[in-house]
Amino acid sequence: DTAVSQTPKYLVTQMGNDKSIKCEQNLGHDTMYWYKQDSKKFLKIMFSYNNKELIINETVPNRFSPKSPDKAHLNLHINSLELGDSAVYFCASSRAGGHGYTFGSGTRLTVV
Amino acid sequence: QQQVKQSPQSLIVQKGGISIINCAYENTAFDYFPWYQQFPGKGPALLIAIRPDVSEKKEGRFTISFNKSAKQFSLHIMDSQPGDSATYFCAAPINSGNTPLVFGKGTRLSVIA
Repeated sequence: DTAVSQTPKYLVTQMGNDKSIKCEQNLGHDTMYWYKQDSKKFLKIMFSYNNKELIINETVPNRFSPKSPDKAHLNLHINSLELGDSAVYFCASSRAGGHGYTFGSGTRLTVV
Repeated sequence: QQQVKQSPQSLIVQKGGISIINCAYENTAFDYFPWYQQFPGKGPALLIAIRPDVSEKKEGRFTISFNKSAKQFSLHIMDSQPGDSATYFCAAPINSGNTPLVFGKGTRLSVIA
Protein backbone atom coordinates (compact mmCIF):
# COMPACT_ATOMS: atom_id res chain seq x y z
CA ASP A 1 0.00 0.00 0.00
CA THR A 2 1.26 3.46 -0.90
CA ALA A 3 1.80 5.52 2.25
CA VAL A 4 1.20 8.93 0.65
CA SER A 5 -0.64 8.86 -2.65
CA GLN A 6 -1.31 11.74 -5.01
CA THR A 7 -3.60 11.93 -7.99
CA PRO A 8 -3.24 12.63 -10.77
CA LYS A 9 0.41 11.91 -11.50
CA TYR A 10 0.34 14.16 -14.56
CA LEU A 11 -1.91 17.12 -15.25
CA VAL A 12 -1.88 19.21 -18.42
CA THR A 13 -4.29 22.13 -18.54
CA GLN A 14 -4.82 25.50 -20.15
CA MET A 15 -4.19 28.88 -18.59
CA GLY A 16 -7.14 30.22 -16.66
CA ASN A 17 -8.53 26.82 -15.69
CA ASP A 18 -9.20 25.66 -12.14
CA LYS A 19 -7.77 22.32 -11.06
CA SER A 20 -7.36 20.17 -7.97
CA ILE A 21 -4.72 17.71 -6.88
CA LYS A 22 -5.68 15.08 -4.33
CA CYS A 23 -3.51 13.67 -1.57
CA GLU A 24 -4.20 10.86 0.86
CA GLN A 25 -2.01 9.32 3.56
CA ASN A 26 -2.59 6.03 5.37
CA LEU A 27 0.15 6.48 7.99
CA GLY A 28 -2.05 7.96 10.68
CA HIS A 29 0.00 11.15 10.58
CA ASP A 30 -1.41 14.35 12.03
CA THR A 31 0.21 16.93 9.78
CA MET A 32 0.23 17.22 6.00
CA TYR A 33 2.09 19.52 3.65
CA TRP A 34 2.23 20.73 0.09
CA TYR A 35 5.57 21.54 -1.54
CA LYS A 36 6.28 22.93 -5.00
CA GLN A 37 9.38 21.76 -6.86
CA ASP A 38 10.42 23.97 -9.76
CA SER A 39 12.47 23.10 -12.82
CA LYS A 40 15.69 23.67 -10.86
CA LYS A 41 14.60 21.11 -8.26
CA PHE A 42 14.10 23.75 -5.56
CA LEU A 43 11.54 22.52 -2.98
CA LYS A 44 9.38 25.30 -1.57
CA ILE A 45 6.89 24.87 1.26
CA MET A 46 3.41 26.04 0.33
CA PHE A 47 1.22 24.88 3.20
CA SER A 48 1.40 22.99 6.45
CA TYR A 49 -1.86 21.74 7.93
CA ASN A 50 -3.14 19.75 10.85
CA ASN A 51 -6.59 19.74 12.33
CA LYS A 52 -5.72 22.70 14.50
CA GLU A 53 -3.51 24.94 12.47
CA LEU A 54 -2.92 26.03 8.90
CA ILE A 55 0.45 27.57 8.17
CA ILE A 56 0.57 29.34 4.85
CA ASN A 57 3.76 30.44 3.16
CA GLU A 58 3.01 34.12 2.64
CA THR A 59 4.61 34.05 -0.81
CA VAL A 60 2.01 31.58 -2.13
CA PRO A 61 -0.64 33.34 -4.25
CA ASN A 62 -4.16 33.15 -2.86
CA ARG A 63 -5.17 31.31 -6.04
CA PHE A 64 -3.81 28.26 -4.21
CA SER A 65 -5.91 26.84 -1.39
CA PRO A 66 -5.62 23.65 0.65
CA LYS A 67 -8.75 21.74 1.50
CA SER A 68 -8.82 18.99 4.11
CA PRO A 69 -12.01 16.91 4.38
CA ASP A 70 -10.41 14.79 7.10
CA LYS A 71 -7.08 14.08 8.78
CA ALA A 72 -5.98 11.66 6.05
CA HIS A 73 -6.57 13.99 3.11
CA LEU A 74 -5.16 17.34 2.04
CA ASN A 75 -6.15 18.44 -1.44
CA LEU A 76 -4.71 21.38 -3.32
CA HIS A 77 -7.04 23.57 -5.32
CA ILE A 78 -5.66 26.05 -7.81
CA ASN A 79 -7.73 28.79 -9.43
CA SER A 80 -6.96 30.67 -12.63
CA LEU A 81 -3.89 28.68 -13.52
CA GLU A 82 -0.88 30.56 -14.91
CA LEU A 83 2.12 29.42 -16.95
CA GLY A 84 4.36 29.94 -13.92
CA ASP A 85 2.38 27.38 -11.95
CA SER A 86 3.96 24.62 -14.02
CA ALA A 87 5.98 22.50 -11.61
CA VAL A 88 5.92 19.25 -9.69
CA TYR A 89 3.75 19.40 -6.59
CA PHE A 90 4.51 17.10 -3.68
CA CYS A 91 2.29 16.17 -0.81
CA ALA A 92 3.93 14.98 2.43
CA SER A 93 2.91 13.98 5.92
CA SER A 94 4.45 13.60 9.36
CA ARG A 95 3.50 12.99 12.98
CA ALA A 96 2.55 16.10 14.90
CA GLY A 97 5.78 17.87 15.80
CA GLY A 98 7.78 15.32 13.84
CA HIS A 99 10.14 16.26 11.08
CA GLY A 100 10.52 12.87 9.39
CA TYR A 101 8.40 13.49 6.34
CA THR A 102 6.94 10.89 4.00
CA PHE A 103 6.47 12.32 0.52
CA GLY A 104 4.14 11.27 -2.25
CA SER A 105 5.50 10.62 -5.72
CA GLY A 106 4.43 14.01 -7.01
CA THR A 107 2.05 15.54 -9.54
CA ARG A 108 3.61 17.11 -12.60
CA LEU A 109 1.46 20.09 -13.55
CA THR A 110 1.92 21.64 -16.97
CA VAL A 111 0.01 24.80 -17.83
CA VAL A 112 -0.15 25.59 -21.56
CA GLN B 1 16.14 34.77 2.57
CA GLN B 2 17.71 31.36 2.20
CA GLN B 3 17.72 29.62 5.56
CA VAL B 4 19.77 26.59 4.55
CA LYS B 5 22.58 26.98 2.03
CA GLN B 6 23.68 23.78 0.33
CA SER B 7 26.80 23.10 -1.71
CA PRO B 8 27.93 21.98 -4.18
CA GLN B 9 25.14 22.21 -6.72
CA SER B 10 26.43 19.14 -8.51
CA LEU B 11 29.02 16.48 -7.75
CA ILE B 12 30.66 13.73 -9.76
CA VAL B 13 32.38 10.95 -7.83
CA GLN B 14 34.13 7.79 -8.91
CA LYS B 15 32.65 4.50 -7.77
CA GLY B 16 34.13 3.62 -4.39
CA GLY B 17 34.96 7.23 -3.55
CA ILE B 18 33.60 9.50 -0.84
CA SER B 19 30.82 11.96 -1.64
CA ILE B 20 30.60 15.03 0.60
CA ILE B 21 27.73 17.52 0.55
CA ASN B 22 27.64 20.53 2.84
CA CYS B 23 24.88 22.58 4.36
CA ALA B 24 25.00 25.82 6.34
CA TYR B 25 22.12 27.15 8.38
CA GLU B 26 21.33 30.50 9.96
CA ASN B 27 18.69 29.98 12.60
CA THR B 28 20.18 28.74 15.86
CA ALA B 29 16.72 27.58 16.93
CA PHE B 30 16.94 24.70 14.45
CA ASP B 31 16.79 21.44 16.35
CA TYR B 32 16.63 18.79 13.65
CA PHE B 33 18.81 18.36 10.58
CA PRO B 34 17.75 15.76 8.01
CA TRP B 35 19.04 14.75 4.62
CA TYR B 36 16.65 13.61 1.93
CA GLN B 37 17.40 11.61 -1.20
CA GLN B 38 15.39 11.99 -4.39
CA PHE B 39 15.52 9.78 -7.46
CA PRO B 40 14.10 10.99 -10.82
CA GLY B 41 10.33 10.77 -10.93
CA LYS B 42 10.05 10.07 -7.20
CA GLY B 43 9.40 12.10 -4.09
CA PRO B 44 12.19 12.90 -1.64
CA ALA B 45 12.80 10.19 0.96
CA LEU B 46 14.32 10.65 4.40
CA LEU B 47 17.86 9.29 4.35
CA ILE B 48 19.36 10.20 7.72
CA ALA B 49 18.86 12.90 10.35
CA ILE B 50 20.68 14.33 13.36
CA ARG B 51 19.82 16.45 16.38
CA PRO B 52 22.28 19.10 17.61
CA ASP B 53 23.16 17.28 20.82
CA VAL B 54 25.49 14.93 18.89
CA SER B 55 28.31 15.71 16.47
CA GLU B 56 28.03 12.68 14.22
CA LYS B 57 25.55 10.01 13.21
CA LYS B 58 26.30 7.03 11.03
CA GLU B 59 23.90 4.69 9.27
CA GLY B 60 25.62 2.20 7.00
CA ARG B 61 27.60 4.09 4.37
CA PHE B 62 25.92 7.40 5.22
CA THR B 63 27.23 9.76 7.91
CA ILE B 64 26.09 13.19 9.07
CA SER B 65 28.71 15.41 10.66
CA PHE B 66 27.40 18.34 12.65
CA ASN B 67 29.33 21.45 13.69
CA LYS B 68 27.16 23.57 15.94
CA SER B 69 29.62 26.43 16.39
CA ALA B 70 30.05 26.82 12.62
CA LYS B 71 26.33 26.23 12.00
CA GLN B 72 27.13 23.62 9.42
CA PHE B 73 26.29 19.97 8.80
CA SER B 74 27.43 17.65 6.07
CA LEU B 75 26.54 14.33 4.48
CA HIS B 76 29.29 11.85 3.75
CA ILE B 77 28.63 8.86 1.51
CA MET B 78 31.37 6.29 1.86
CA ASP B 79 32.16 3.77 -0.89
CA SER B 80 29.83 5.64 -3.26
CA GLN B 81 27.93 3.44 -5.72
CA PRO B 82 26.18 4.20 -9.03
CA GLY B 83 22.89 3.47 -7.24
CA ASP B 84 23.59 6.47 -5.01
CA SER B 85 23.22 8.77 -8.03
CA ALA B 86 20.36 11.05 -7.04
CA THR B 87 19.60 14.56 -5.83
CA TYR B 88 20.28 15.16 -2.14
CA PHE B 89 18.63 17.83 -0.03
CA CYS B 90 19.50 19.10 3.40
CA ALA B 91 16.68 20.60 5.43
CA ALA B 92 15.84 22.20 8.74
CA PRO B 93 12.65 23.37 10.44
CA ILE B 94 11.65 26.94 9.64
CA ASN B 95 11.57 27.57 13.37
CA SER B 96 11.47 25.61 16.58
CA GLY B 97 8.34 23.69 17.41
CA ASN B 98 5.83 22.28 14.96
CA THR B 99 6.94 24.16 11.86
CA PRO B 100 7.57 22.89 8.32
CA LEU B 101 10.94 21.98 6.90
CA VAL B 102 12.77 24.36 4.61
CA PHE B 103 15.04 22.65 2.10
CA GLY B 104 18.40 23.49 0.58
CA LYS B 105 18.59 23.86 -3.19
CA GLY B 106 19.80 20.31 -3.69
CA THR B 107 22.95 18.59 -4.90
CA ARG B 108 22.86 16.36 -7.95
CA LEU B 109 25.25 13.47 -7.32
CA SER B 110 26.52 11.30 -10.15
CA VAL B 111 28.60 8.27 -9.26
CA ILE B 112 30.47 6.95 -12.26
CA ALA B 113 32.08 3.55 -12.68
